[in-house]
Amino acid sequence: SQTIHQWPATLVQPVGSPLSLECTVEGTSNPNLYWYRQAAGRGLQLLFYSVGIGQISSEVPQNLSASRPQDRQFILSSKKLLLSDSGFYLCAWVRDYLPYEQYFGPGTRLTVT
Amino acid sequence: GENVEQHPSTLSVQEGDSAVIKCTYSDSASNYFPWYKQELGKGPQLIIDIRSNVGEKKDQRIAVTLNKTAKHFSLHITETQPEDSAVYFCAASKGAGSYQLTFGKGTKLSVIP
Repeated sequence: SQTIHQWPATLVQPVGSPLSLECTVEGTSNPNLYWYRQAAGRGLQLLFYSVGIGQISSEVPQNLSASRPQDRQFILSSKKLLLSDSGFYLCAWVRDYLPYEQYFGPGTRLTVT
Repeated sequence: GENVEQHPSTLSVQEGDSAVIKCTYSDSASNYFPWYKQELGKGPQLIIDIRSNVGEKKDQRIAVTLNKTAKHFSLHITETQPEDSAVYFCAASKGAGSYQLTFGKGTKLSVIP
């Protein structure tokens, strides 16, 4: 069966510090991968998606970036965090065959102080 | 692009009553409509989905209906229980290409014992 992991689960970082969040998927190959951000009490904002190694599409211009160094690994990064980067970050993957269901990871709670 | 509207934003029901959440979509090419349940501090969990070639789908106490002509779909929860309390998100996609989902803004359901 497929499993999606995210770490760390929680993170408190000062403004201006770098960021690296990791997402890995097990039990599938060449998944479509997504990064979402969810502000407190708000909906899901798509940040990046990737259809393969080295292929990244950005949905929202900001000080975040994403990379996909391996087939089942997706990384979200920032060189300098802003207060507005606080939120709940979710990674998701999509089956590449019918019915193309999307599954979310457990999330990372980021607080920028 | 696709736009998904979700109503109501909050819903309170007595335990044992039914709950209905409604969504409308704008892109007539959308053909896949999942529903997610998000408990506090966790990632969204796929609970049921429906494709455009089906008008209704049921899974125990949960059902989803789709009206392609009117471009709206609904989630029905019967015999609600306190553990149904969560935020529910609807979504829509065209099911091909990037398999990208467009989400509604969510409904916070509270089931009062």
